[in-house]
Amino acid sequence: EDQVTQSPEALRLQEGESSSLNCSYTVSGLRGLFWYRQDPGKGPEFLFTLYSAGEEKEKERLKATLTKKESFLHITAPKPEDSATYLCAVHRGSTLGRLYFGRGTQLTVWP
Amino acid sequence: DGGITQSPKYLFRKEGQNVTLSCEQNLNHDAMYWYRQDPGQGLRLIYYSQIVNDFQKGDIAEGYSVSREKKESFPLTVTSAQKNPTAFYLCASSIPPRDEQFFGPGTRLTVL
Repeated sequence: EDQVTQSPEALRLQEGESSSLNCSYTVSGLRGLFWYRQDPGKGPEFLFTLYSAGEEKEKERLKATLTKKESFLHITAPKPEDSATYLCAVHRGSTLGRLYFGRGTQLTVWP
Repeated sequence: DGGITQSPKYLFRKEGQNVTLSCEQNLNHDAMYWYRQDPGQGLRLIYYSQIVNDFQKGDIAEGYSVSREKKESFPLTVTSAQKNPTAFYLCASSIPPRDEQFFGPGTRLTVL
């Protein structure tokens, strides 16, 4: 069965303490991997799409990378405003646009 | 500004009542989706539609119904057959061949 697993479930960092979030997947025929940020009580906000192993994308303090089995979201020198839940999703080429989501990593950055 | 709107933001329903959640987009996106989010769980797909007048069941369609009469609108009805409807409901849209989905602000449904 296809599966998207995110780890850790929760992560607490001090401001400026860099770290990484993991998203591992077992889908066959990956067409794309997506990262989203979700603030409490709001809809997810699109961050990145990665299509092939070795690809990297950056936005401010965030950098997403992709291998054949997993993706990492690296957070460099985080600030309290980076606190949110980060969701990973994958798109299989055979499933007409539908995405499969992981359960997310809840990140808290304290001053 | 282009975007996706969902209404209402909060909705309360008595057991046994049907309720309809609104989702409208002015992004000219062809595809639209409904997800349910429960605490500690990932987003689960209820229904999706790739074009007008066509839609497919997702993983948890039982107790829900949808329609897609206009490109801009994809309303979701939560029927009395849905046994545990209290949840956060999210609508999304996308435009092929790009696969990223863009989400609305969500509707929190509470059954009293």
